[in-house]
Amino acid sequence: GAVVSQHPSRVICKSGTSVKIECRSLDFQATTMFWYRQFPKKSLMLMATSNEGSKATYEQGVEKDKFLINHASLTLSTLTVTSAHPEDSSFYICSASALPAPGGYTFGSGTRLTVV
Amino acid sequence: GEDVEQSLFLSVREGDSSVINCTYTDSSSTYLYWYKQEPGAGLQLLTYIFSNMDMKQDQRLTVLLNKKDKHLSLRIADTQTGDSAIYFCAESRNSGNTPLVFGKGTRLSVIA
Repeated sequence: GAVVSQHPSRVICKSGTSVKIECRSLDFQATTMFWYRQFPKKSLMLMATSNEGSKATYEQGVEKDKFLINHASLTLSTLTVTSAHPEDSSFYICSASALPAPGGYTFGSGTRLTVV
Repeated sequence: GEDVEQSLFLSVREGDSSVINCTYTDSSSTYLYWYKQEPGAGLQLLTYIFSNMDMKQDQRLTVLLNKKDKHLSLRIADTQTGDSAIYFCAESRNSGNTPLVFGKGTRLSVIA
């Protein structure tokens, strides 16, 4: 089945630095990728939708200058958390889609970001 | 707007059946999904159902859909301790083209 590889799985960084999270579709071409953020014991909050070769569409309340999303190829999307602050600490999960398929959403294993 | 609701907790004894319920508001929902999340991990797709189906069974999992009431349920037969996790209900209008809308998740605890 479709596999999405997300790296790193865990990262600790200092306040003010930037962190890049990668999401790769390993055996399919992902036309659309979604980035979610999950707070402890909470549901997934959609941050943005990215389509290959075009700018990401951000959800209301998500700072596009802080959470930079690049989807330069059909197999790779990156999320860069710029100038990280402790409140950015969270679990970030990507999801890739390859149309058409009823079960077309495949999730990465998530990245636990801790900003100290 | 779109909304997906689930009860937050469910506790069952090992060997019993678990039933996790979900309601949604978007009548345009085309696909409905159940995902499983274990601690510190991503989401694992368990099963999905197309909106023109009433029931889908896959081994120990049975999904029931009442489209009139916008109610979805997941039944896990012979629940095992390894089934302890958070289960998310999600819906979408198109598969792959629009993001999933998730419920808050139901934490299933299986008591040995």
